[in-house]
Amino acid sequence: EDQVTQSPEALRLQEGESSSLNCSYTVSGLRGLFWYRQDPGKGPEFLFTLYSAGEEKEKERLKATLTKKESFLHITAPKPEDSATYLCAVPHPSGNTGKLIFGQGTTLQVKP
Amino acid sequence: SQTIHQWPATLVQPVGSPLSLECTVEGTSNPNLYWYRQAAGRGLQLLFYSVGIGQISSEVPQNLSASRPQDRQFILSSKKLLLSDSGFYLCAWTRVGGLGSPLHFGNGTRLTVT
Repeated sequence: EDQVTQSPEALRLQEGESSSLNCSYTVSGLRGLFWYRQDPGKGPEFLFTLYSAGEEKEKERLKATLTKKESFLHITAPKPEDSATYLCAVPHPSGNTGKLIFGQGTTLQVKP
Repeated sequence: SQTIHQWPATLVQPVGSPLSLECTVEGTSNPNLYWYRQAAGRGLQLLFYSVGIGQISSEVPQNLSASRPQDRQFILSSKKLLLSDSGFYLCAWTRVGGLGSPLHFGNGTRLTVT
């Protein structure tokens, strides 16, 4: 079964304490992996697309990496404003519908 | 640049009342459009998607329906709301290409059915 699993479910960090979020997937013929940030009461905001193993993307304190089975979102020296839920998603393998399979997300809380 | 508008932001409706949520996309043509629902605890459930005007695919049989009367307009409706229809409804769009394309979401509608 095609699925996306994120861990941990919740993560509490002190400001400046670096860590990583994990997204593992079981989808045949991966056609990309996407990371989103979602603030409470808002829609998910697109962060990164990764298409091939070994690829890395960076944005401020965030760096996303991709292997053949999982992706990591590394957060370096986080600040309280990085607190949010982070979602990852992969395209559904059936056809060209644009549908995505989402993980359940990791809720990150960064304390000052 | 492309933008997506979704309204209303919040809605409180009694059980048995009708529903109409609207979503429009600007700055692109022929987008694929999607309605998702997000229950407490963050899981995103795809409800409907559309690859063109008048073309609607339903993912989950339920009390809701969707329509796409214009290229960049997507509407989520119900004739009679149930308590279980409460949730956070998100509209999204994408341009489908050879590789996977990310979805771009609106800011959602928080629906409370009382």
